[in-house]
Amino acid sequence: EVQLQQSGPELQRPGASVKLSCKASGYTFTEYYMYWVKQRPKQSLELIGRIDPEDGSTDYVEKFKNKATLTADTSSNTAYMQLSSLTSEDTATYFCARALYVMDAWGQGASVTVSS
Amino acid sequence: DIQMTQSPASLSASLGETISIECLASEGISSYLAWYQQKPGKSPQLLIYGANSLQAGVPSRFSGSGSGTQYSLKISSMQPEDEGDYFCQQSYKFPPTFGGGTKLELK
Repeated sequence: EVQLQQSGPELQRPGASVKLSCKASGYTFTEYYMYWVKQRPKQSLELIGRIDPEDGSTDYVEKFKNKATLTADTSSNTAYMQLSSLTSEDTATYFCARALYVMDAWGQGASVTVSS
Repeated sequence: DIQMTQSPASLSASLGETISIECLASEGISSYLAWYQQKPGKSPQLLIYGANSLQAGVPSRFSGSGSGTQYSLKISSMQPEDEGDYFCQQSYKFPPTFGGGTKLELK
């Protein structure tokens, strides 16, 4: 069974950074992209970027290029996303999702709250 | 980026009713269109890919159609467990983009 297990909820101060994790199991980690998706409360879904775990190459949506950094550790089958210089606009649930062309398996989501 | 316009924003349906949700792309996406269902507090789940292919395990009352820029999701015979939010998503060009969502409720 394909599973993506994400790290727990985070409460961070403005200006801080946070690193979220997404541990994959049940498939060959290097055969799928890992996408990261943002969902603000009561809002739609917004792609942040993707990483190819096989070679570590990344593609970011323009607005997140200075906000998010995606990495992957093939020894532990875990993808990471670091968010920097947090503001209230970063308060959201963040999902990881594996994909070739469609996101056919998703993590349970990780809530990030930015508040002083 | 390709813009995805989804309608309606909300919908209320009776048990057993057939409903449709529409998605319009700002340019042709050659059927690279997926539909997802999301229940409160949960992650999205893939329903349909390639505009009309049913993901394994999804009930056959769900179906997708369309081509070019216009696509639709149909639920024949609304069930209580179908309540939730529905999103379309194009994967024709990077970045994949999502529609604004449709909130489906049981009347």
